[in-house]
Amino acid sequence: QKEVEQDPGPLSVPEGAIVSLNCTYSNSAFQYFMWYRQYSRKGPELLMYTYSSGNKEDGRFTAQVDKSSKYISLFIRDSQPSDSATYLCASRMDSSYKLIFGSGTRLLVRP
Amino acid sequence: EAEVAQSPRYKITEKSQAVAFWCDPISGHATLYWYRQILGQGPELLVQFQDESVVDDSQLPKDRFSAERLKGVDSTLKIQPAELGDSAMYLCASRPGSQNTEAFFGQGTRLTVV
Repeated sequence: QKEVEQDPGPLSVPEGAIVSLNCTYSNSAFQYFMWYRQYSRKGPELLMYTYSSGNKEDGRFTAQVDKSSKYISLFIRDSQPSDSATYLCASRMDSSYKLIFGSGTRLLVRP
Repeated sequence: EAEVAQSPRYKITEKSQAVAFWCDPISGHATLYWYRQILGQGPELLVQFQDESVVDDSQLPKDRFSAERLKGVDSTLKIQPAELGDSAMYLCASRPGSQNTEAFFGQGTRLTVV
């Protein structure tokens, strides 16, 4: 079993929809949780990171972590075609800067 | 805007040949990572440096892969000999050593072994 699991998709939504992307993890020692966006043939770009449980909002993006259920979510409001990309969740322990990634969810926002 | 530089962007090599990738991290970033990303999967750590020292190379196939960061700045990842299964995107990332922030990735080197 992978330490971070993510549905590969693809997820196809119409422009303007609210998108929900999710990951689960198995290591209780994970304290930091990240979301990266990766366009085709490009490197991952850091979108958001959170520490422990809770919500964090940045513009149209909201990251949510529920440590009791080991569940990580990213919500995208008013989705745009430019949001079409692969979204990678990642986690790490407090004592380590080694990132453990999920396999990524491919998102397609249709105009 | 500062970024992690990688070269080459694309590399095609024949099986059993040697290949090398170069990474220049964001200025002042003490921590440097090499990740490998196979198509359709998430990145997996190959090696992590803190300045010029290796912190974690537990997933580096040491019989054919080597990595160095001699002066604690730029880094080279080498594969010799390359195998068909090494075809992947090789990503370099860096982060400041003392700040509580996450890693920034370069654009990667896409390797195809034929």
